[in-house]
Amino acid sequence: DTEVTQTPKHLVMGMTNKKSLKCEQHMGHRAMYWYKQKAKKPPELMFVYSYEKLSINESVPSRFSPECPNSSLLNLHLHALQPEDSALYLCASSQDVGTQYFGPGTRLLVL
Amino acid sequence: QKEVEQDPGPLSVPEGAIVSLNCTYSNSAFQYFMWYRQYSRKGPELLMYTYSSGNKEDGRFTAQVDKSSKYISLFIRDSQPSDSATYLCAMSSGTYKYIFGTGTRLKVLA
Repeated sequence: DTEVTQTPKHLVMGMTNKKSLKCEQHMGHRAMYWYKQKAKKPPELMFVYSYEKLSINESVPSRFSPECPNSSLLNLHLHALQPEDSALYLCASSQDVGTQYFGPGTRLLVL
Repeated sequence: QKEVEQDPGPLSVPEGAIVSLNCTYSNSAFQYFMWYRQYSRKGPELLMYTYSSGNKEDGRFTAQVDKSSKYISLFIRDSQPSDSATYLCAMSSGTYKYIFGTGTRLKVLA
């Protein structure tokens, strides 16, 4: 099973809201990722967790806050977002630095 | 110069054609090479993975890596309308940073 699941599929939020995106994998992968993807662009790396520790933060604004409660779960907490943050948010996982598997994404609209 | 270059297309081919998709790269440290297929408004789906140089075949798909030329290819045989999607190449030097090409939009016409 090479499945990464993400919830919710769609999210609409106002600029003052707080919301969370969730990601889960049961492949025993030790690395989990958050990407942001705008239309007609490749995925853009935001964060990487390796063995449940944050190993890469690509200078992402603090209104995005990642959390890795355990090796199977990854959250992205959102607060005070801007309309330009509207995008497809993708979670991915990999066993160390090999093949990376993506989830279906959460389509976020910030009003 | 970008680390990974990929022709954005769109590339239109008739059904049944052989499709060739390519990426060039500049970082000789890249060792892990992947091809993803992404349908509109969906997450990327891993199609092929190659470590270092060589060829790999899976059904109608063949991936080639030429490290001496810093060039990777994905061939799709007997293309189908369902293959219409954006194809992304991605590569890594063994860190957690995967560098993506911009993606090539493919249309297979019935």
